[in-house]
Amino acid sequence: NAGVTQTPKFRVLKTGQSMTLLCAQDMNHEYMYWYRQDPGMGLRLIHYSVGEGTTAKGEVPDGYNVSRLKKQNFLLGLESAAPSQTSVYFCASKRGEETQYFGPGTRLLVL
Amino acid sequence: GDSVTQMEGPVTLSEEAFLTINCTYTATGYPSLFWYVQYPGEGLQLLLKATKADDKGSNKGFEATYRKETTSFHLEKGSVQVSDSAVYFCALGNSGGYQKVTFGTGTKLQVIP
Repeated sequence: NAGVTQTPKFRVLKTGQSMTLLCAQDMNHEYMYWYRQDPGMGLRLIHYSVGEGTTAKGEVPDGYNVSRLKKQNFLLGLESAAPSQTSVYFCASKRGEETQYFGPGTRLLVL
Repeated sequence: GDSVTQMEGPVTLSEEAFLTINCTYTATGYPSLFWYVQYPGEGLQLLLKATKADDKGSNKGFEATYRKETTSFHLEKGSVQVSDSAVYFCALGNSGGYQKVTFGTGTKLQVIP
């Protein structure tokens, strides 16, 4: 099992550009999450999904969209990137009562 | 709302020293408590957890006890190693399917030989 994987590992964008971050898990987990990690602020939840075809807003959803067309994939989109979205993005997944498994992260720099 | 407060870092210790990282929380209900560890360049990994008052979570020589009376979940290890150098996050979460997890800000630990 690869666990939770994230693509890309690192990306530089210019303000206003768009991009999609991909999270994939091969553990058949129902729940998937996108977090951002900023210095001194811990992890904050952006969006989450409780199953294929469903998504919901987390703590800091503005400026992001998500889709879960397939159970194993959870996409995070930035339609018009802003410098405030410079961060490290983590995806996580879980099943039932288990705890969350995290991916290795995507480092995004918006200039 | 729920919140987690953990001690500021970085913490620098010599190998074989005793480690304590303080964590306190505020929450409604009876959350589960977690410690996650993040090694350089990696994602978070669950280190240990406790699901109810007075439970002790333990793993890899680390321990933490769920103290409801003091709303604390302090992380301890009797003898740290260089390989323990990482960032440690205290967190709380509700039980059940969708798990809302609230994280502390993280404490960076550096262990020097």
